[in-house]
Amino acid sequence: DQQVKQNSPSLSVQEGRISILNCDYTNSMFDYFLWYKKYPAEGPTFLISISSIKDKNEDGRFTVFLNKSAKHLSLHIVPSQPGDSAVYFCAASAPGANNLFFGTGTRLTVIP
Amino acid sequence: EAGVAQSPRYKIIEKRQSVAFWCNPISGHATLYWYQQILGQGPKLLIQFQNNGVVDDSQLPKDRFSAERLKGVDSTLKIQPAKLEDSAVYLCASSFLAGGPGELFFGEGSRLTVL
Repeated sequence: DQQVKQNSPSLSVQEGRISILNCDYTNSMFDYFLWYKKYPAEGPTFLISISSIKDKNEDGRFTVFLNKSAKHLSLHIVPSQPGDSAVYFCAASAPGANNLFFGTGTRLTVIP
Repeated sequence: EAGVAQSPRYKIIEKRQSVAFWCNPISGHATLYWYQQILGQGPKLLIQFQNNGVVDDSQLPKDRFSAERLKGVDSTLKIQPAKLEDSAVYLCASSFLAGGPGELFFGEGSRLTVL
């Protein structure tokens, strides 16, 4: 049962343009959401997070938007850079939960 | 600050053989996780430790997988006997927070190929 879904396995964007990565979840108890970035042969690294009490969190070029009614979140990268090319995982957790539930990932390719 | 260390990075074994993976978390992190990531999928939790006690091992196939965290620091994940479907990257992660996942710090992973 996939509680966190990333329906786009891949995305290609021109350098300088906006990248939008999407994530949907089914568990309404989830209250904390994270995005991780993963380069080949490396472990995932934390990128940005958002609590369910917010609908937006921004960190430099990265902004995460949360739409609780739609059970949807998105990661915006502006402007996109070639170094952003990686697999991005969306993850979620519920209050008092022990772990993160991950999506299947979206491979972003930023074309110079 | 040193990150999460894992070894070996790569391991190839035949089915029915055994394998063990080692993890050293970030110093001071109370919570340690083992995740399994099969190709094309997201990481899936196998087991979570808080200090040296097991918090959640509901997804661990206990007939073949075992894990321990002695002295609340290093951890070992063992598979015996291995099956073809165990081919995956085994990720160790640690977290400072004791009450919930928060931000997890991952190691580089141990890639297992079962032939």
